[in-house]
Amino acid sequence: DGGITQSPKYLFRKEGQNVTLSCEQNLNHDAMYWYRQDPGQGLRLIYYSQIVNDFQKGDIAEGYSVSREKKESFPLTVTSAQKNPTAFYLCASSPTGRVGTEAFFGQGTRLTVV
Amino acid sequence: GENVEQHPSTLSVQEGDSAVIKCTYSDSASNYFPWYKQELGKRPQLIIDIRSNVGEKKDQRIAVTLNKTAKHFSLHITETQPEDSAVYFCAAMFAGGTSYGKLTFGQGTILTVHP
Repeated sequence: DGGITQSPKYLFRKEGQNVTLSCEQNLNHDAMYWYRQDPGQGLRLIYYSQIVNDFQKGDIAEGYSVSREKKESFPLTVTSAQKNPTAFYLCASSPTGRVGTEAFFGQGTRLTVV
Repeated sequence: GENVEQHPSTLSVQEGDSAVIKCTYSDSASNYFPWYKQELGKRPQLIIDIRSNVGEKKDQRIAVTLNKTAKHFSLHITETQPEDSAVYFCAAMFAGGTSYGKLTFGQGTILTVHP
């Protein structure tokens, strides 16, 4: 199903807890991205990675962390420092780090702070 | 950094009419401009894209135009159908310096096509 898998689909977190969202792709893509989607605000970039062991902050990186130890995996940790973490999170990957290639999205994870 | 502005935020048309969504970008180093469609409860999917060395691209009822000088690009949907109803996002990919490969999206347009 598109080759990029996010888990879990729904996630509940208590305030003050860290939580990690999984993103795995079997498409052999070099580049991977994390976005946050809130109503009326489009897709806002959290972090992105063009290659293994390297990643860059996006526009709203505060309160989040990532790692890229393997080509196929790009987990996102939502830390307790993120003040308003309830949102829909989308992971994407694209074939190469070369600009101009289609990004494919996972099905998303809906995170709710309770 | 790159900023992408998208207008309008909502668009309502009658079936068979045309729909146009416009985006502007801030950084001239961006050179790839995809458009995504997101249906309710589903992931965004690419519908058309254009590179900076091309001024226009068409795929059946969908077309995209790019004006590099003015730094804006537009999505045109002709002969709209109810199944075109969705949220549409434009995006720009930055191709310079330390932000190479950064893919920035607009705020989205909710398109409603009335039968």
